[in-house]
Amino acid sequence: DVKVTQSSRYLVKRTGEKVFLECVQDMDHENMFWYRQDPGLGLRLIYFSYDVKMKEKGDIPEGYSVSREKKERFSLILESASTNQTSMYLCASASGSGSGLNEKLFFGSGTQLSVL
Amino acid sequence: GQNIDQPTEMTATEGAIVQINCTYQTSGFNGLFWYQQHAGEAPTFLSYNVLDGLEEKGRFSSFLSRSKGYSYLLLKELQMKDSASYLCAVLDSNYQLIWGAGTKLIIKP
Repeated sequence: DVKVTQSSRYLVKRTGEKVFLECVQDMDHENMFWYRQDPGLGLRLIYFSYDVKMKEKGDIPEGYSVSREKKERFSLILESASTNQTSMYLCASASGSGSGLNEKLFFGSGTQLSVL
Repeated sequence: GQNIDQPTEMTATEGAIVQINCTYQTSGFNGLFWYQQHAGEAPTFLSYNVLDGLEEKGRFSSFLSRSKGYSYLLLKELQMKDSASYLCAVLDSNYQLIWGAGTKLIIKP
């Protein structure tokens, strides 16, 4: 089975801190994604990546950056955390190349981030 | 704008059948997904429909009507473990996934 592992299940940070959320997948998937999930809203795409060192902005990239130095690892960075970034962050991966986004997503268990 | 609508919450009885509806208005269509998400856990894939009709997978079935912008997920012989949120998502013409807010399904004994 595909495993997508997020480094932390819960994180509490202070406003202005730099925050790193790590995600690792073990199935050699090309495509990786970062979403945030907030109550009453659908998943919102922050960034995605189709290949190593490649990144594309999603719907809500402001305040975030990403890094994909290795195929299996996709990191989400909050340069200066703010209270409105308190949320559940979900990492996902999918096989395929290019725009093969009709492939199903495999999700990590999520990181609940609280910014105080 | 693009929009996915699904009921916020539904309640059903163990052993019964429940239908969770999803309507969508998107820029193009390249398929519709259903995912299941138990509280505090990762969403997991249930089904993918790109052609009209019903696809059955054990106790779960998914239906699509592209002309009506409508899908439903049908769960039969409900079990307590089916208590979860069910997420509908549509792939638009740019192969971007548009997500509904999810339907929380509560199963009562």
